[in-house]
Amino acid sequence: GENVEQHPSTLSVQEGDSAVIKCTYSDSASNYFPWYKQELGKRPQLIIDIRSNVGEKKDQRIAVTLNKTAKHFSLHITETQPEDSAVYFCAASRGYGQNFVFGPGTRLSVLP
Amino acid sequence: NAGVTQTPKFQVLKTGQSMTLQCAQDMNHEYMSWYRQDPGMGLRLIHYSVGAGITDQGEVPNGYNVSRSTTEDFPLRLLSAAPSQTSVYFCASSYQPSPDTQYFGPGTRLTVL
Repeated sequence: GENVEQHPSTLSVQEGDSAVIKCTYSDSASNYFPWYKQELGKRPQLIIDIRSNVGEKKDQRIAVTLNKTAKHFSLHITETQPEDSAVYFCAASRGYGQNFVFGPGTRLSVLP
Repeated sequence: NAGVTQTPKFQVLKTGQSMTLQCAQDMNHEYMSWYRQDPGMGLRLIHYSVGAGITDQGEVPNGYNVSRSTTEDFPLRLLSAAPSQTSVYFCASSYQPSPDTQYFGPGTRLTVL
């Protein structure tokens, strides 16, 4: 089955700096890669996703890149703000009727 | 739209007790799923359903049962609670399984003594 690894497990950056979180997956048939943000005590919420026919996607300060050959994808947050502090999860899914597999999460702290 | 709702928010059980965690959505989503989240870990899929009358096992199904008699509801049953089932449980739904945005419920924090 699919296995998703995520690095780093914790990340501290200064406000205004960039943050990068990387995930690797094992199943070459996976074709959908979402990123979720979870604040303390809250539910996970989708922040951005990418499909296998796209190499990069950007939404304001957030971007995701996908390298299908190497089987890894990354989340990039620019101009970080204190409200970006949260746990971020990546996930991979191979399609209809197939379940999502989540990475273990990255705790991002943005220091003022 | 209320989105995805879960009840109860908190629950304490004794070992061996059974209970049902409720999940409902009003978005007419075909795909629903249950995850558990343990401290320092990601979400692990317990069971999922691609439509009424259809369910399948996820990564960690042992000790849990599900059924899907309607599109709206997807209850999770703990047959005989064990301390290892102490966790936060999230229900999620999406219009189609993938690729599509999953909407999560607020979660149920379960403690088994």
